[in-house]
Amino acid sequence: EAGVAQSPRYKIIEKRQSVAFWCNPISGHATLYWYQQILGQGPKLLIQFQNNGVVDDSQLPKDRFSAERLKGVDSTLKIQPAKLEDSAVYLCASRTNRGTGNTIYFGEGSWLTVV
Amino acid sequence: KQEVTQIPAALSVPEGENLVLNCSFTDSAIYNLQWFRQDPGKGLTSLLLIQSSQREQTSGRLNASLDKSSGRSTLYIAASQPGDSATYLCLTVQGAQKLVFGQGTRLTINP
Repeated sequence: EAGVAQSPRYKIIEKRQSVAFWCNPISGHATLYWYQQILGQGPKLLIQFQNNGVVDDSQLPKDRFSAERLKGVDSTLKIQPAKLEDSAVYLCASRTNRGTGNTIYFGEGSWLTVV
Repeated sequence: KQEVTQIPAALSVPEGENLVLNCSFTDSAIYNLQWFRQDPGKGLTSLLLIQSSQREQTSGRLNASLDKSSGRSTLYIAASQPGDSATYLCLTVQGAQKLVFGQGTRLTINP
């Protein structure tokens, strides 16, 4: 079974530039999450999708961050314009909706450095 | 609002020792709790998932326990090895699939 795929793995951009990250969850997983993890901290939820609908985006800085999952499968996370404090790893995760006991699977992450 | 705390933030032990990592949470209404491992520059690898109805789960040298009433989970690592060096994170899962992570414990096993 293929895991959660993310790209690009690494990105360096200047502040005020834009960047987009892509995630393809495990096949059949209806729930998809984007997390931001700053070095030395635990992951922080940015947005949660159920199929192509948003369940929770309360911690997404909507003035600069946007995310979509148009067909309920893969998803993109965009930052525009980037700030220095956006330097972090952006983790995508997915899980199935069958029951409440299912494991959550994470991708390898997209590492962003804003200079 | 769920708060998840992991203490200590960092731990360094000699190879071969048995050790315990702690995770505490404020809201006991959880569906399950999951332990992850994160290596530098990598994503999160799932280690163990404990359902709310379970008391513990074991995988190899790892044993995770859950005490919902006290809001605690522990991850026990037996006979530690240098390859166990990583950051360990716990995650609680609640209604509407709400997920809350702890800050993690950075573990170093010294040869």
